[in-house]
Amino acid sequence: SYVLTQAPSVSVAPGQTARITCGGNNIASKSVHWYRQKPGQAPVLVIYYDTYRPSGIPERFSGSNSGNTATLTISRVEAGDEADYYCQVWDSSNQRVFGTGTKVTVL
Amino acid sequence: EVQLVESGGGLVQPGGSLRLSCGVSEFTFSSYSMNWVRQAPGKGLEWVSYISTSGSTIYYADSVRGRFTISRDNAKNSLFLEMNSLRDEDTAIYYCARDLPRYYGMDVWGQGTTVTVSS
Repeated sequence: SYVLTQAPSVSVAPGQTARITCGGNNIASKSVHWYRQKPGQAPVLVIYYDTYRPSGIPERFSGSNSGNTATLTISRVEAGDEADYYCQVWDSSNQRVFGTGTKVTVL
Repeated sequence: EVQLVESGGGLVQPGGSLRLSCGVSEFTFSSYSMNWVRQAPGKGLEWVSYISTSGSTIYYADSVRGRFTISRDNAKNSLFLEMNSLRDEDTAIYYCARDLPRYYGMDVWGQGTTVTVSS
């Protein structure tokens, strides 16, 4: 089955930029969605279809997808961005696959 | 407010069964495909199952195929997950989640219901 690989953790200072990557074989051929999950809460969709932001998600959140890597970028990071982030795709066998997750820590 | 509310979780012995429900409000349930996603304690997200708007198309994760059954009742605005032959590794929080039409990101999630499989 299709595997999505994420770095376990990313640390970033407030006001800086966090880049969270999601690696998968030819992931550029798939649509990637990103979710944020804070402790004890349900996930929240922050980017869909590679680059689109749902209503209510700040413009600081952006996405890209090329080659074997999709990237979620959080600009001007705030303390409230501290959370686990997951990428997700449909694979060719009609299975939805989540990445391993990245914990973002705001220093 | 658009809302999903799961129920039916609890403690069950290995080999037992459980039926989860997800009630929805403030949107036209029959127009959206739906999913179940679970999260084991301290672990990441794992997709469990998908059902199309009419229920005619259904997909399962390999880990639950043959043991779990997803269904929906559009007249009652409800989604279900019938879980049989439960194993220790099925212990998790189970979320129902709505699909964005066309794009299939999961844009609305319930708060989750906890299933514990233990003797």
